[in-house]
Amino acid sequence: DSGVTQTPKHLITATGQRVTLRCSPRSGDLSVYWYQQSLDQGLQFLIQYYNGEERAKGNILERFSAQQFPDLHSELNLSSLELGDSALYFCASSVVGTGSTEAFFGQGTRLTVV
Amino acid sequence: AQSVTQLDSHVSVSEGTPVLLRCNYSSSYSPSLFWYVQHPNKGLQLLLKYTSAATLVKGINGFEAEFKKSETSFHLTKPSAHMSDAAEYFCVVSDPGAGGTSYGKLTFGQGTILTVHP
Repeated sequence: DSGVTQTPKHLITATGQRVTLRCSPRSGDLSVYWYQQSLDQGLQFLIQYYNGEERAKGNILERFSAQQFPDLHSELNLSSLELGDSALYFCASSVVGTGSTEAFFGQGTRLTVV
Repeated sequence: AQSVTQLDSHVSVSEGTPVLLRCNYSSSYSPSLFWYVQHPNKGLQLLLKYTSAATLVKGINGFEAEFKKSETSFHLTKPSAHMSDAAEYFCVVSDPGAGGTSYGKLTFGQGTILTVHP
């Protein structure tokens, strides 16, 4: 168990809908990352938050947004869903600034858009 | 800027034979390097990490990797493969950025699928 909790584990929704994925980082970790994993694109970095502030942005679509709350949990919001958004979405957390920035990953949320 | 290239998308070995998964990286600063493993329908698990200490890094399950700055490589090895090693492996670089501004952003390689035959 990595200590990172993601909910829900599975999500099936229709095109055009909006969903929210939730992530609780490991205790004490200030940094949260979101990744999308699909068969054709591999593991793609979406966005990073550090202590509530956005720090880095990757290949995140405008239809997607995220935030990190004062208690450090994070949510990834996906709207106007398309079939191509079906993927495994991972959250990871890390302690930044220790010189050893490995990230610990949750089990992922598998999103299926039908 | 940082990037990672995993040189093989698939590697197939027999049980009991050595494993070599190859990774080259590019980084503008002194990077940290990691190997993660992902078993089917599971999350990613850290195998080992290099953070500018010893160049030969030992990880879990008998894996190790050697950091070679001159070759910009961080290949993953294991002397004897086990059936349970069958999984996808990711080489990852974390570049501190100028003045440590990257905040630990991880860049993943495309992954190498390891198949182990009995």
